Amino acid sequence: EVQLLESGGGLVQPGGSLRLSCAASGFSLNNSVMNWVRQAPGKGLEWVSTLSNDGVTTFYTDSVKGRFTISKDNSKNTLYLEMTSLRVEDTAVYYCARRPLWSHFDNWGQGTLVTVSS
Amino acid sequence: EIVMTQSPATLSLSPGERATLSCRASQSVGRSLAWYQQKPGQAPRVLISVATDRATGVAGRFSGGGSGTEFTLTISSLQSEDSAVYYCQQHIDWPLTFGGGTKVEIK
Repeated sequence: EVQLLESGGGLVQPGGSLRLSCAASGFSLNNSVMNWVRQAPGKGLEWVSTLSNDGVTTFYTDSVKGRFTISKDNSKNTLYLEMTSLRVEDTAVYYCARRPLWSHFDNWGQGTLVTVSS
Repeated sequence: EIVMTQSPATLSLSPGERATLSCRASQSVGRSLAWYQQKPGQAPRVLISVATDRATGVAGRFSGGGSGTEFTLTISSLQSEDSAVYYCQQHIDWPLTFGGGTKVEIK
């Protein structure tokens, strides 16, 4: 069974940093395109970032370019999102999600809440 | 950026009724369109991929249609457990984009 378990969320001040983790089980990150999607409180879904299965190619939404970095550790089967220079508008539940063959998001984690506030 | 527009914003129907949700893309996405269901406090789950393919385990009352710029999600006979927000999403171009969602309420 495919499972994704996010962790690392919390309260951080504007300008601060946070690293999110997503532990995968039931499949290998080696063979998967992995993603972060966020949802601000009471709002819709927003794609944040994608990492290719070979870990070489990354994509980011414009609002996080230069501030967020997506990466993975295949030995730990874990996906990461390093977030720096955090802004109030980054407050959201962050989901990790798998995409088969650059298609739709077929499996999602339960999400981790990031709150950016002074 | 491909803008995805969903309508209506809210749909209020009785059990057993047919629900039709619309999703329009600002430019053609071919069939690279997925539909998700999200219930309060839960992560989204995929219902439909490549515009018309029902995901594993999804009830047969859910069906997707369309191509290019116009898409629909139909729930043939609403059940109480279908109360949720439904999102469409295109995956043909970067950035990946979602529609604003349609909230389905069961009377």
